[in-house]
Amino acid sequence: DAGVIQSPRHEVTEMGQEVTLRCKPISGHDYLFWYRQTMMRGLELLIYFNNNVPIDDSGMPEDRFSAKMPNASFSTLKIQPSEPRDSAVYFCASLADRGAANTGELFFGEGSRLTVL
Amino acid sequence: AQRVTQPEKLLSVFKGAPVELKCNYSYSGSPELFWYVQYSRQRLQLLLRHISRESIKGFTADLNKGETSFHLKKPFAQEEDSAMYYCALRPRDDKIIFGKGTRLHILP
Repeated sequence: DAGVIQSPRHEVTEMGQEVTLRCKPISGHDYLFWYRQTMMRGLELLIYFNNNVPIDDSGMPEDRFSAKMPNASFSTLKIQPSEPRDSAVYFCASLADRGAANTGELFFGEGSRLTVL
Repeated sequence: AQRVTQPEKLLSVFKGAPVELKCNYSYSGSPELFWYVQYSRQRLQLLLRHISRESIKGFTADLNKGETSFHLKKPFAQEEDSAMYYCALRPRDDKIIFGKGTRLHILP
């Protein structure tokens, strides 16, 4: 497996534009997490899914943020409209189910670095 | 409320000196705790987990339920230990929460 795959790796956009970040989790993993990394706040959990169903989105900053997981192999995080304060690195991570040989280990993608001008 | 606190944003240690990265947690149940590391230009990856009671790259971490702490320690720092370290808590509901991270800088 190639691991968790995220795209794009870098995105520079202007304030007000729509941004879509993509993630492909590790095959067979039941959980998918979206995190945002900034110097000030560290790694913030935005939302997580279990079997494609959103379980907790309390970390999503505001209505401008939305996330979907239409199937087990794909998820998107969308920001519309984007603002300069959204500039950060966004990570996707996946995790196997507790019932599996689950060590509780999160597998991270390489991240999507977003800059909103 | 579930929370992970890493009080130090930056920790500078001389090569060969002992390292201790602090982590405190807030959780009413039995916690699962982890340390993750992010080396320069690499993905975040698991360093160690408390249930394994293992030593990885010379690092150990002991869960102290009385003090609600899970500090990461290494007796002799090496230059390759320079990285960003995150402490993480996994409650029963599977929401995995991270602290703000500590950047460890090993001085030559």
